[in-house]
Amino acid sequence: QVQLQESGPGLVKPSETLSLTCTVSGDSINSYYWSWIRQPPGKGLEWIGFIYYSGSTIFNPSLKSRVTISVDRSKNQFSLKMSAVIAADTAVYYCARGRYSSGWYFDFWGRGTLVTVSS
Amino acid sequence: SYELAQPPSVSVSPGQTATLPCSGDRLGEKSACWYQHNPGQSPVLVIYHDTKRPSGIPERFSGSKSGNTATLTISGTQPMDEADYYCQTWDSDTGVFGPGTKVTVL
Repeated sequence: QVQLQESGPGLVKPSETLSLTCTVSGDSINSYYWSWIRQPPGKGLEWIGFIYYSGSTIFNPSLKSRVTISVDRSKNQFSLKMSAVIAADTAVYYCARGRYSSGWYFDFWGRGTLVTVSS
Repeated sequence: SYELAQPPSVSVSPGQTATLPCSGDRLGEKSACWYQHNPGQSPVLVIYHDTKRPSGIPERFSGSKSGNTATLTISGTQPMDEADYYCQTWDSDTGVFGPGTKVTVL
């Protein structure tokens, strides 16, 4: 069974950089696409971006200028960095595995980690 | 930017059928999937590629699409099905989620 676990600071100051890591177990990161998705309090889900194990990435255009996603194949992990955060970036951040069948879908998700942007 | 529309809430009695629509421009040309989400837990994929059910998902969950509206149907709804349900598709290489429908089992 594939399992994903998010980790990282739960509190980030405004204008600083949010950094999260997703550790994948039960599957090699050397296949599929790996994604970050977030949910602000009381709101719906928002897709952030994808990374393929080779390092190729696709981002949500609304966040593209502030987001970096990288992969560490030796640790079976992938990471998210979001720069210049503001209060509106406060959200539960999920990592997920992406697959394709005439369209992308996410078949395994982490439990999510709450990141609060506040001074 | 592309948007999907879902009703904010649906109420259903135990054992009855819940019908959750999701509409969007040209959705008929795209693939839709559905997630069940309980607060504090991981979202769970219940339908992908419009009608396919992942292994381990009960048969009472089914998906369909007509025109530009995708529909998730929960037949014989159980109290454990009370959750938020999100539809999702792709447009111009961007993942798009609907706003979600809260299913209440009364």
